[in-house]
Amino acid sequence: RKEVEQDPGPFNVPEGATVAFNCTYSNSASQSFFWYRQDCRKEPKLLMSVYSSGNEDGRFTAQLNRASQYISLLIRDSKLSDSATYLCVVNRYNFNKFYFGSGTKLNVKP
Amino acid sequence: GAVVSQHPSRVICKSGTSVKIECRSLDFQATTMFWYRQFPKKSLMLMATSNEGSKATYEQGVEKDKFLINHASLTLSTLTVTSAHPEDSSFYICSAAGYSGRAASEQYFGPGTRLTVT
Repeated sequence: RKEVEQDPGPFNVPEGATVAFNCTYSNSASQSFFWYRQDCRKEPKLLMSVYSSGNEDGRFTAQLNRASQYISLLIRDSKLSDSATYLCVVNRYNFNKFYFGSGTKLNVKP
Repeated sequence: GAVVSQHPSRVICKSGTSVKIECRSLDFQATTMFWYRQFPKKSLMLMATSNEGSKATYEQGVEKDKFLINHASLTLSTLTVTSAHPEDSSFYICSAAGYSGRAASEQYFGPGTRLTVT
């Protein structure tokens, strides 16, 4: 079983829509959780860390459910510029290693 | 976010030659650097984890003699692709994790190096 699993998509949504991605992780010892976005032929960029209490940054909301071992990312009022691949990343401190999901592709259309 | 640079951004080399890629953390001390490769439309694949002052830890299936990693300081790690073959053509990305006033486990990526072996 993969450490981190994501629906590859693509999610095709119109501008202004709300879209949500989920990501599941297999190891309950996972400590830190992140969402990155990656544009085509570019490096991943940190979008937000995911805290146990959930966190919000503008139109983006991330939540963590440790009991069910999943994290989510909600994007409200989608913009064309949100089109990218969103990577779920999980870290276990003891192993100093990051595990990446395969990414979920989002296409926001006019 | 923290700044990580990578050089060169693009390189074309002939089969059999070696290519060195540098990864620098510009505004923080990176205790750990990671090297990834990515094929088109595929996810990042971790190649190795590089800790300053010690030998790199390679992932299964990654040849340590072919992909030489040196992490000589807290701000610099290098990846040398030795005796490059066309199948080594890929997008190589480094990342750095360390303390910069943020959570210790966040990692920041360099802009990547696109290697083409002819």
